[in-house]
Amino acid sequence: SYVLTQPPSVSVAPGQTARITCGGNNIGSKSVHWYQQKPGQAPVLVVYDDSDRPSGIPERFSGSNSGNTATLTISRVEAGDEADYYCQVWDSSSDHYVFGTGTKVTVL
Amino acid sequence: EVQLVESGGGLVKPGGSLRLSCAASGFTFSSYSMNWVRQAPGKGLEWVSSISSSSSYIYYADSVKGRFTISRDNAKNSLYLQMNSLRAEDTAVYYCAREDGGSGSYYKVWGQGTLVTVSS
Repeated sequence: SYVLTQPPSVSVAPGQTARITCGGNNIGSKSVHWYQQKPGQAPVLVVYDDSDRPSGIPERFSGSNSGNTATLTISRVEAGDEADYYCQVWDSSSDHYVFGTGTKVTVL
Repeated sequence: EVQLVESGGGLVKPGGSLRLSCAASGFTFSSYSMNWVRQAPGKGLEWVSSISSSSSYIYYADSVKGRFTISRDNAKNSLYLQMNSLRAEDTAVYYCAREDGGSGSYYKVWGQGTLVTVSS
């Protein structure tokens, strides 16, 4: 089955840039989506189709995808960005949706 | 307002059954594929099952295949998950989510979740 690997945690100072990676075999050939989840809340879509942002999501959130790694970048990090982040793809070979292992972003 | 509201969670013994429901409002339910996604306590998100708009295509995660059944009633704007032979590892918050986009879809709309606890 298809596996998506994320770093367990990323720490960043306010105002700096956080980069969260999502590794998968030839992930660059798939559409990657990213979700933010705060404690006790449902996930929120922050980036879809590698690099598009839903309405209402700040421009500070951006995405890229190439080769075996997709990346979510959060620029000018704010305290409110502290959350868990998950990548997600559709694996057509198994007809399964797959989530990444999740990354906890801590704002120092 | 676009909304999904889950219900039906609770405490059930191992081997027991439970039926979850998800009521949709604020959009044309019959036009969208729908999914169930779960999250065990302190763990990550896990996709459970997907059903196409007309119920023609149904998919399950390997962990629930043969035990769970997804269904929908477009006339009632409702999504269901029948869970049988429940195990302790099925304990989780269960979210219903709407698929958006074409192939390689994403989840733009989520419910608030319903907690299922499997314990003796």
